[in-house]
Parts: sequence; structure tokens; C-alpha cells
Amino acid sequence: GAGVSQSPRYKVAKRGQDVALRCDPISGHVSLFWYQQALGQGPEFLTYFQNEAQLDKSGLPSDRFFAERPEGSVSTLKIQRTQQEDSAVYLCASSPGQGAEVVDQETQYFGPGTRLLVL
Amino acid sequence: AQKITQTQPGMFVQEKEAVTLDCTYDTSDPSYGLFWYKQPSSGEMIFLIYQGSYDQQNATEGRYSLNFQKARKSANLVISASQLGDSAMYFCAMRDLWRAGSYQLTFGKGTKLSVIP
Repeated sequence: GAGVSQSPRYKVAKRGQDVALRCDPISGHVSLFWYQQALGQGPEFLTYFQNEAQLDKSGLPSDRFFAERPEGSVSTLKIQRTQQEDSAVYLCASSPGQGAEVVDQETQYFGPGTRLLVL
Repeated sequence: AQKITQTQPGMFVQEKEAVTLDCTYDTSDPSYGLFWYKQPSSGEMIFLIYQGSYDQQNATEGRYSLNFQKARKSANLVISASQLGDSAMYFCAMRDLWRAGSYQLTFGKGTKLSVIP
């Protein structure tokens, strides 16, 4: 079946531009996550949705970052007035949120990421 | 707060040999899950294996097995019969299963595995 897809795969922005990154989760997955991965580091949590509800946005680095999932499926991560330090790979993941075993419920499946470069 | 430590920035292994990638974790939560992911140069994180803190047996998944030592807080990944396609970054991650409202994965910095023909 189709996995998590993200678009665009690559984005170059000038400092100060706004960008929007899209995530299409696996169909039927309740949970959706955004992570930021800096070069040479592991992913770091940004925000979490359960269906359309944003239950945790504690990882968003500033109020320039905004995420939404209005119909409980596709999600968009928006970064306003981009800065050079925003350059990173942005990963989206989804998980079923339900299942017989914990591993079935909780395993997160990742998309290919969007590589953002801010000049 | 949770913390994952992967002390090996890079590892080399001969093709067809076994290799162990180290992971130690720190948490005060009584219930948690441990995950290993593979990230090839293409960038996508691929789920490999899961171990629950209360699971009695070490997890296995094909050529992957997890050497879980709860008292030592370690969850090392063992890859048997290495293949050239195993060359990638490997990340250990943890998810708290105890506290309500805690859903995210905490990742280590990763280990770059290179398989030598």
C-alpha cells in the first residue's frame, strides 16, 4: 500500500520567505507527527496530531512555525519569515493509533522528508 | 526527561558478518517502547524492530534482533549476515508509554554503518 508522502522533496527559500510543507499520511492513520532533522543529527519532535486535533506542539521552535490538519488526513507545516537556522529536513510520520499490540498502535511510519534550504 | 545515547558515530562490518549497534537510554518511566530505524541516503526512515519494556523476550525480525538488557538500560541492535544494502544511518528511539499526552519519539544521534564487500 501507499506509504507516507511529502511534498515538495526539496525547497530553496530566501530568508524571510514563507514556506508550506505538505504531508499525506497513510490512509486511516489517526496519529500524525512532524519532526525536524538537522544535518548529522537525529530527528527532533515538532508537533503531534490525533485526527484533526493538535494535541502537542511543544517542539515547535518559535511562533513562526505553524501546523494544521483540518480534516484529519493531510497536514501542512508552515514556516513564516524563514531564517537560515530553519534549514533542515522536515520529516512527517503517521501511526495507526490503534491495534492489537502496542507495536501495531505506536510504530511511526515516516515519509521521505522535505529538505529545506534557506539562503 | 528521556535520553537516547548512541556512542558509535560510525561502524564498519565485512559483508556476511554480524554487527552490533549500541544504544543506551535513560528514563524514569516504568513503561516505554524502544525502536530502531534505518535511514538510507535517500532520507526515508525505515522501521526495523520494536521492543516493549515489559516484553519478556528479545525482539527479532528477520536478520535484526534486539539485545534488550533492562537493568543496564541498553537496547543494542544486532544485524546478522550483513549485506551491502545495510549501509545506512541507524537510529535508536524511545517512546514513553506511561504518561498521558506523551506520544513523540526521542531519537539518538545515530550510527553510520558501512558494509565492506
